[in-house]
Amino acid sequence: KNQVEQSPQSLIILEGKNCTLQCNYTVSPFSNLRWYKQDTGRGPVSLTIMTFSENTKSNGRYTATLDADTKQSSLHITASQLSDSASYICVVRPLSGNYQLIWGAGTKLIIKP
Amino acid sequence: SQTIHQWPATLVQPVGSPLSLECTVEGTSNPNLYWYRQAAGRGLQLLFYSVGIGQISSEVPQNLSASRPQDRQFILSSKKLLLSDSGFYLCAWSDTGEGGYTFGSGTRLTVV
Repeated sequence: KNQVEQSPQSLIILEGKNCTLQCNYTVSPFSNLRWYKQDTGRGPVSLTIMTFSENTKSNGRYTATLDADTKQSSLHITASQLSDSASYICVVRPLSGNYQLIWGAGTKLIIKP
Repeated sequence: SQTIHQWPATLVQPVGSPLSLECTVEGTSNPNLYWYRQAAGRGLQLLFYSVGIGQISSEVPQNLSASRPQDRQFILSSKKLLLSDSGFYLCAWSDTGEGGYTFGSGTRLTVV
């Protein structure tokens, strides 16, 4: 069964610190893996999209990594800011089939001053 | 630039009442359109997607239906709401199935 598991469920860090969020998936084969940021009560916003052949992709202070062999991805946030407080969602698009994306439940990140 | 509008932002409806949520996209032609539902603490669940006018695919059999009367308009409906229909509904669009999705701001539906 195609699944995306994220850890931790929630994380609290101090402003200015770095953090890494984890994503394990069982989707195979897959076309791409995405990370989204979702503020409370808002729609998700795309951070990165990586194809199965890419190992890393950056978007400002956000860096996503992908290890297709171990089926793991991580999102590293550098020098966190209060505005980084949000849920971060890992999403995998299977290679075949319809337009279904496999969504993780997200990691809720809280940045404290 | 492309924009997506979704309304209303919040809605409280009694059980058994009808529902109509609307989503419109500007600045693009023939987009793929999607309706998602998000339950608290859960991943997004794809409800419907459309690749063109009048073309609707349903992913989950349920009490809801969708329609695409115009190229950039996507409507989510129900004839009689159930308590279990409560949730956060999101509309999204993409150029293709491979690319990133752009989401609307969502509708918080509470069925009472």
